[in-house]
Amino acid sequence: AQRVTQPEKLLSVFKGAPVELKCNYSYSGSPELFWYVQYSRQRLQLLLRHISRESIKGFTADLNKGETSFHLKKPFAQEEDSAMYYCALSAAGGTSYGKLTFGQGTILTVHP
Amino acid sequence: DTAVSQTPKYLVTQMGNDKSIKCEQNLGHDTMYWYKQDSKKFLKIMFSYNNKELIINETVPNRFSPKSPDKAHLNLHINSLELGDSAVYFCASSSSDGYTFGSGTRLTVV
Repeated sequence: AQRVTQPEKLLSVFKGAPVELKCNYSYSGSPELFWYVQYSRQRLQLLLRHISRESIKGFTADLNKGETSFHLKKPFAQEEDSAMYYCALSAAGGTSYGKLTFGQGTILTVHP
Repeated sequence: DTAVSQTPKYLVTQMGNDKSIKCEQNLGHDTMYWYKQDSKKFLKIMFSYNNKELIINETVPNRFSPKSPDKAHLNLHINSLELGDSAVYFCASSSSDGYTFGSGTRLTVV
């Protein structure tokens, strides 16, 4: 079974402060990990996926297989980063992804 | 051009009614999904179709019936709506490049 845990439901920081959104997973195989962002009442947008190792909007995330974590980090938070962030795991490989299992989500609020 | 489009965006209806939500993707993806986001913002998969064939059905009540007339469309029909069905329903499609989500349908059952 696959499971994704985001321990913080709410996270508040001030503008310019570092931010880290935690994500832990459990899966016996080789997972694909993602971070999705949902701005107020909008669609989910892909922020990062571990296989691409990109940095989007200043966010980075490293897959740590030893700790089964995929924490999302940004050194200097901006007010426009305020949103709901979901960590997600996909177990399928091959030509198409399988279902995404989502964490509970973390609401990030960046105060001015 | 919207990649994954859902209609309607908002749906308010009375308990006991039957309603449908439509989804279309123009990305050429083989796989489409329905996800439910509940009042606590928890996202959970409901169904997955690959090339018009049902491949995932996550113990959803049989009042929910997905239909895929072709691989670009995945509709969701809900019979005998209940208060607990109130949620945001997201359609998505995927390929090896990843997922694309629709903008969601906010269903309110009164």
